Amino acid sequence: GAVVSQHPSWVICKSGTSVKIECRSLDFQATTMFWYRQFPKQSLMLMATSNEGSKATYEQGVEKDKFLINHASLTLSTLTVTSAHPEDSSFYICSARGGGSSGVQETQYFGPGTRLLVL
Amino acid sequence: RKEVEQDPGPFNVPEGATVAFNCTYSNSASQSFFWYRQDCRKEPKLLMSVYSSGNEDGRFTAQLNRASQYISLLIRDSKLSDSATYLCVGSGSARQLTFGSGTQLTVLP
Repeated sequence: GAVVSQHPSWVICKSGTSVKIECRSLDFQATTMFWYRQFPKQSLMLMATSNEGSKATYEQGVEKDKFLINHASLTLSTLTVTSAHPEDSSFYICSARGGGSSGVQETQYFGPGTRLLVL
Repeated sequence: RKEVEQDPGPFNVPEGATVAFNCTYSNSASQSFFWYRQDCRKEPKLLMSVYSSGNEDGRFTAQLNRASQYISLLIRDSKLSDSATYLCVGSGSARQLTFGSGTQLTVLP
């Protein structure tokens, strides 16, 4: 199946710093990438939908100036948590959906996630 | 009300048992449904899609009832490796996924 990678897999940072998370589709071109956040014992919550070459669409309640998303190429999207605070500590997961063959096009493939801990 | 609701469990069952999970959804415009499996501290992985006609994949059977807006997953002859959180997921016209909060399953030896 299609592979999506995320980097870093975990990060610990001080409050006030910015953290960038990369999401890459390794063997297909991802026209759409999604960013989710999951707090302990809760479901995945969609933060934003990112289409290559255009601005991301943010879900209600997600601050676009705090969570900067860039989808500059068909294989890479980045999420930057600006001025991170302890309440931003969470499990951030990206997924990618392709625009090629029908199988890849219809399925979202998830990255392994990034654990962020803000001290 | 959440768009996708699941019984959070936990379900603790012995090996070999049959266990069923239920899920309801509130958005009648939802078009596609899936069951995902999520292991502790890992990303979710697609287990199976859910069709109105019902579909089976080995020990797993999924069913969708659009009239009742109800989805089910049946696991037969459960294995220790089935221990995970099972996520009920809906997808609308924009093909965005809406996740339920998950049902935790522990299969005991």
